[in-house]
Amino acid sequence: DTAVSQTPKYLVTQMGNDKSIKCEQNLGHDTMYWYKQDSKKFLKIMFSYNNKELIINETVPNRFSPKSPDKAHLNLHINSLELGDSAVYFCASSQVQSSGELFFGEGSRLTVL
Amino acid sequence: RKEVEQDPGPFNVPEGATVAFNCTYSNSASQSFFWYRQDCRKEPKLLMSVYSSGNEDGRFTAQLNRASQYISLLIRDSKLSDSATYLCVVSRSNDYKLSFGAGTTVTVRA
Repeated sequence: DTAVSQTPKYLVTQMGNDKSIKCEQNLGHDTMYWYKQDSKKFLKIMFSYNNKELIINETVPNRFSPKSPDKAHLNLHINSLELGDSAVYFCASSQVQSSGELFFGEGSRLTVL
Repeated sequence: RKEVEQDPGPFNVPEGATVAFNCTYSNSASQSFFWYRQDCRKEPKLLMSVYSSGNEDGRFTAQLNRASQYISLLIRDSKLSDSATYLCVVSRSNDYKLSFGAGTTVTVRA
């Protein structure tokens, strides 16, 4: 069983569309994250949830909306996609908020045309 | 100034060689430090935490220098499978937010 799984792995879409990426972890962790890795390879935190509560919300356009229905799931919805949204989006989880040991999903490669 | 800076490399080394590289961080209040490894087109995975006294895990040795605000990673007896990008990660003490460096690429050749 994959510890942190995210779907879809690849997403190709047109500008202006809305898309969602789903993430699930079966590790029993309290904290989940969304990271964005752009073409320059920087991994940037977007959001962090601890027990379904939003704790980190970086400077991300409000076209990006996370949703955590329970502590095992953290989904990411993106409205009105732009070219600059093309990146790899990684979901991750950690046992507790203060842990530096993150378990990442395999990533969702989003290409906006 | 970026919170975490790394020499992007690439470091091209022959099998069996020793390779070492550093990472500098800007926030002196940083509390915890880690090295992650990311293979091409894969997700990052924790390689090792970095402790104040320095620590070793097999062929990998990590050091922390708080006075100069850098951490280092040394790989001994390099294997082909060590080829990857090594990400330096620093945690802030107030909100535990992790800051990732852009990575140092290591290529081990036969």
